[in-house]
Amino acid sequence: DAKTTQPPSMDCAEGRAANLPCNHSTISGNEYVYWYRQIHSQGPQYIIHGLKNNETNEMASLIITEDRKSSTLILPHATLRDTAVYYCIVNRMSSGGSNYKLTFGKGTLLTVNP
Amino acid sequence: NAGVMQNPRHLVRRRGQEARLRCSPMKGHSHVYWYRQLPEEGLKFMVYLQKENIIDESGMPKERFSAEFPKEGPSILRIQQVVRGDSAAYFCASSKTREHEQYFGPGTRLTVT
Repeated sequence: DAKTTQPPSMDCAEGRAANLPCNHSTISGNEYVYWYRQIHSQGPQYIIHGLKNNETNEMASLIITEDRKSSTLILPHATLRDTAVYYCIVNRMSSGGSNYKLTFGKGTLLTVNP
Repeated sequence: NAGVMQNPRHLVRRRGQEARLRCSPMKGHSHVYWYRQLPEEGLKFMVYLQKENIIDESGMPKERFSAEFPKEGPSILRIQQVVRGDSAAYFCASSKTREHEQYFGPGTRLTVT
């Protein structure tokens, strides 16, 4: 799987949009970008994933650049409960491959401040 | 629709005892994955099971660890003769197929004294 690079930490004011960047310059054509988050002492929570088109669900939006070398997870109106470590993971599993092992790096600690 | 369930949430064992961790996947999911998170580290893949079959156990320590996912009942991760280094959070995830996203349970925190 391609390596990802994320800033170690970010701050965001409550009610504002949180934009979390991820670089994956070595991503290959059949690799998807997945985002998970882990709130302290809880299990990772699936947020969203995408291949090349922008995606949106009830939790967040995923913007993938045209060259697919980077992406941004957007939480439109961050709340205190969104404080967590956010993981950007590149993986081929949705392409029918056998790479079902999720590789969690250090992620970005997002702190939402009141 | 209940999520992935794990029990117990906390487990304390003395060195040399056995630890049994249980995982019930989400309804409709037949693929189960176990991950381990050591203190201050990221999650590491351990094993992937589909009903009654171990598909990939490449992340499992060679000794003392085993996993099963019987036709009926939850998946079990079993650690025999636990040592202090086994103290960690063990997370189970499930998916509808191996191509679908994985959903995680709340984890079992194992403490070996």
